[in-house]
Amino acid sequence: DAGVIQSPRHEVTEMGQEVTLRCKPISGHDYLFWYRQTMMRGLELLIYFNNNVPIDDSGMPEDRFSAKMPNASFSTLKIQPSEPRDSAVYFCATTMRVDTQYFGPGTRLTVL
Amino acid sequence: LAKTTQPISMDSYEGQEVNITCSHNNIATNDYITWYQQFPSQGPRFIIQGYKTKVTNEVASLFIPADRKSSTLSLPRVSLSDTAVYYCLVGDADKLIFGTGTRLQVFP
Repeated sequence: DAGVIQSPRHEVTEMGQEVTLRCKPISGHDYLFWYRQTMMRGLELLIYFNNNVPIDDSGMPEDRFSAKMPNASFSTLKIQPSEPRDSAVYFCATTMRVDTQYFGPGTRLTVL
Repeated sequence: LAKTTQPISMDSYEGQEVNITCSHNNIATNDYITWYQQFPSQGPRFIIQGYKTKVTNEVASLFIPADRKSSTLSLPRVSLSDTAVYYCLVGDADKLIFGTGTRLQVFP
């Protein structure tokens, strides 16, 4: 298996623009997590899905952030409109059991 | 979710054994103890998990005393490539809370 696939790996955009991050989970994994990592705040859980259904989105910072999982093989995290403080590395992780997650390589987002 | 406390940073030299201790005083009966490793510019990677006593795999050993209020990750004979951040997590809930981790620096 190729592991968790995230795209793009790097994204540079201007404030106010819409940003869409993508994740393809490992086949058979029914949990999918979106994290954000910054130097100041460390690794934060934003939202997670189980069997394509959002279970906990309490970590989503505000309404500008939204996440979807239309099927078992694809998820998106969207930021609209983006702001400079959204600059971070965004990780997707998937698993069959919550405490042993497999992380993707991350998307480094820079909002100018 | 049980809170964990671990040292912010540790230094070591190649070939030495490194032990990183994590405190989790309010661990629950159903909680497992899990350690992750994160290299720069990469996502965290699962290293080892245990419930009690000792667990060993090809990468590390995990020692858990009988009261389970702490755990120690042991890395035998570290190399420069073991330089990373190591996270200790405790829980059986639906989500993991990553703390600040321990930044291990291995010197030649």
